[in-house]
Amino acid sequence: EAGVAQSPRYKIIEKRQSVAFWCNPISGHATLYWYQQILGQGPKLLIQFQNNGVVDDSQLPKDRFSAERLKGVDSTLKIQPAKLEDSAVYLCASSRDRGNEKLFFGSGTQLSVL
Amino acid sequence: AQSVAQPEDQVNVAEGNPLTVKCTYSVSGNPYLFWYVQYPNRGLQFLLKYITGDNLVKGSYGFEAEFNKSQTSFHLKKPSALVSDSALYFCAVRDGAGNMLTFGGGTRLMVKP
Repeated sequence: EAGVAQSPRYKIIEKRQSVAFWCNPISGHATLYWYQQILGQGPKLLIQFQNNGVVDDSQLPKDRFSAERLKGVDSTLKIQPAKLEDSAVYLCASSRDRGNEKLFFGSGTQLSVL
Repeated sequence: AQSVAQPEDQVNVAEGNPLTVKCTYSVSGNPYLFWYVQYPNRGLQFLLKYITGDNLVKGSYGFEAEFNKSQTSFHLKKPSALVSDSALYFCAVRDGAGNMLTFGGGTRLMVKP
């Protein structure tokens, strides 16, 4: 089966600019996750969707980050405006449903904010 | 709040020797425990999980992990390391099915020929 697709692979922007990342999960997977992985740290969950509804966004900085999964399939994560500390790899993952323990991860988008 | 600690930033082992990557956790209720591996420029890949049952769980690529409730640990092990096992390993925990998965900071495993 095809894996989790993410684009772009790399993105360089200046602080205060906006940026968007796209994710297409594995076909049929109801649950979609966005993680932020800062260099040298483990992934941190930003938001979790079940179909097109938000399950957990407690760690999402809502003043600048937003995410949507309108049709319950692909998803977009946006940062506006970006800060230097947002430099990280943004990982998208999916699983068959909330109760399924195995997450499948995409290769990530590496964001550099200058 | 749940948390995971991986006390070693890096583990070095010679090829053919056994390896252990340590993980301790803190969670309310029964833990759901996982190990993931990250190769350079690739996403994380699932290795194994403990939900309930036998304390020794077996996973992909010959890895296994031992759940110890009294020590709140879930150490990753392999009897004989390969150079190709060199990667970044992450331990993760959730406090129930469907709840937030929390990752540790990762341990880099270096296997030398």
